[in-house]
Amino acid sequence: DTGVSQDPRHKITKRGQNVTFRCDPISEHNRLYWYRQTLGQGPEFLTYFQNEAQLEKSRLLSDRFSAERPKGSFSTLEIQRTEQGDSAMYLCASSSLGGRTEAFFGQGTRLTVV
Amino acid sequence: GQQVMQIPQYQHVQEGEDFTTYCNSSTTLSNIQWYKQRPGGHPVFLIQLVKSGEVKKQKRLTFQFGEAKKNSSLHITATQTTDVGTYFCAGQGGSQGNLIFGKGTKLSVKP
Repeated sequence: DTGVSQDPRHKITKRGQNVTFRCDPISEHNRLYWYRQTLGQGPEFLTYFQNEAQLEKSRLLSDRFSAERPKGSFSTLEIQRTEQGDSAMYLCASSSLGGRTEAFFGQGTRLTVV
Repeated sequence: GQQVMQIPQYQHVQEGEDFTTYCNSSTTLSNIQWYKQRPGGHPVFLIQLVKSGEVKKQKRLTFQFGEAKKNSSLHITATQTTDVGTYFCAGQGGSQGNLIFGKGTKLSVKP
């Protein structure tokens, strides 16, 4: 396993369109996190899964955002009716449970809404 | 909800000088983690602290976890240009807790 992979790496979309991002975590990792990062800021928590269960979703997150992790493997993050303020780097990370719970990040998907 | 604050936001040092960044959580943590992000890169794990009062060292880097498990610090001795980047702390509350990041401290090192 080569680590966490995210697809696509870059996405340019028109305002109002829907977009979907995919994350493939490290195969034995139970935890999967989604973060959003803008320039000069830290990763902002969006949501996280433990296996297929979505345990928490940020209260700051609009209803336009939804995430799934069917079968506890890969995950998708969908943004509906995109707005310019959604432009950011979307980072996925995975970790194991118990002991060392360090997060391994993917390269991210850079979203630009025009 | 859980919040993690980090100061300073920026630090400019001359090569060879020391650097410290501080992290404070609004709630007691089960563990705290430190990450480094280079420009254009993604956060990369440095270390995890679990025990109250724990101190860990990695070469020139010293990490501390407060007695109350609510604060932490990262100290770099004699900075080098390779230390450039943004350092983030991330707090995890409880065994089911999510991982909340601070806003980071951006370190620049002048040769």
